[in-house]
Amino acid sequence: GAVVSQHPSWVICKSGTSVKIECRSLDFQATTMFWYRQFPKQSLMLMATSNEGSKATYEQGVEKDKFLINHASLTLSTLTVTSAHPEDSSFYICSALVARALGTEAFFGQGTRLTVV
Amino acid sequence: QKEVEQDPGPLSVPEGAIVSLNCTYSNSAFQYFMWYRQYSRKGPELLMYTYSSGNKEDGRFTAQVDKSSKYISLFIRDSQPSDSATYLCAMSLYSSASKIIFGSGTRLSIRP
Repeated sequence: GAVVSQHPSWVICKSGTSVKIECRSLDFQATTMFWYRQFPKQSLMLMATSNEGSKATYEQGVEKDKFLINHASLTLSTLTVTSAHPEDSSFYICSALVARALGTEAFFGQGTRLTVV
Repeated sequence: QKEVEQDPGPLSVPEGAIVSLNCTYSNSAFQYFMWYRQYSRKGPELLMYTYSSGNKEDGRFTAQVDKSSKYISLFIRDSQPSDSATYLCAMSLYSSASKIIFGSGTRLSIRP
């Protein structure tokens, strides 16, 4: 199967600073990647759809100026949490779709646990 | 109404039991159905996928899709403590660029 690598796996930052999370497709090209946030014991919440070479599409309620997404190449998308606050502490996961003959299959990164202190 | 409904659980069963996990959905256009398993503090991993209606079996796991009822199931036979995880159903339209819609996930615990 396809491999999606996410880095870092965990990060602790001070309130007010910015944190960048990388999502790479290692053995395939991904024109579209997705960024999710997951709070403890809750499901994945889609934050935005990252499109290579164009602006990301954000879900309702997600601040685009706070969660900056850059998808500059077919194998890398980055999520930057700007001016992080403790309420931004969460598990962030990216995924990329692989087109199959009969639909699409999503492969996920390992996730990044962000703690803002 | 959510597009995909899934009982969050938690569901606790003894080791060796048969587990049944289910999801319902509202969009009849969904064609591609998946089950993901997520261990604590890890990204989800694909467990099973099924196209359109029918059954698919892989070892101890069986996925069923009933499009007429808009209902999908995942059965786990001879459940093991290592099966303890959150299981998410997911589905997409029949399109190479489709966004995948996830259920809320069911937390499963297998008691030794």
